[in-house]
Amino acid sequence: EIVMTQSPATLSVSPGERATLSCRASQSVNDHLAWYQHKPGQAPRLLIYGASTRATGIPARFSASGSGTEFTLTISSLQSEDFAVYYCQQYNNWPPHTFGQGTKVEIK
Amino acid sequence: QVQLVQSGAEVKKPGSSVKISCRASGGTFSNYAVSWVRQAPGQGLEWMGGISPIVGTPSYAQKFQGRVTITADDSTSTVYMELSSLTSEDTAVFYCAAVDTDLLSHYYYYYLDVWGKGTPVTVSS
Repeated sequence: EIVMTQSPATLSVSPGERATLSCRASQSVNDHLAWYQHKPGQAPRLLIYGASTRATGIPARFSASGSGTEFTLTISSLQSEDFAVYYCQQYNNWPPHTFGQGTKVEIK
Repeated sequence: QVQLVQSGAEVKKPGSSVKISCRASGGTFSNYAVSWVRQAPGQGLEWMGGISPIVGTPSYAQKFQGRVTITADDSTSTVYMELSSLTSEDTAVFYCAAVDTDLLSHYYYYYLDVWGKGTPVTVSS
């Protein structure tokens, strides 16, 4: 089973600042990596698939990069609605499609 | 794009089973790969298993193998997830999630595009 490790666990950021989240896979997942945003009481939302492609309707302030085992999600200028938990997930080798443990982006 | 409508909250006794439904609204599941994801209180997201129209048979995470069964009813565009031998550790919110395989570069590599709102399940004696 591929293990996904996200860092940091919590990121404290002021509105308007940049946030950079990391995700590492225990073995290569090529570019079969997705990022999701999850707010309490809501369904998770797909942000990024294919390691770097924004999903439909996702603002351009969300960008992502990486391939193989190292991936990054960047939020260029945090808006109030961006404070949430972010998960990476690999879908290269499954079952299972493994998630990282999440990074909580909180208001500084 | 379809919307996913999940069945309502459940309260179950330890040792029993729960069966949750996920219906496609505004379309059909015929081309969709559907997965089930669990989130226990205070925990992260956990993929339980999924079913893809091209692969045909469901796939399950080893952790849930033998306890989970995912089935599809194409006539009603509904996918079901049944989890048996429930314990208090199964108390969680269960989400279904899906992607139109026609949009994928390769049917095997699928992410989770559309999500249901979640079904809370409480296991308590």
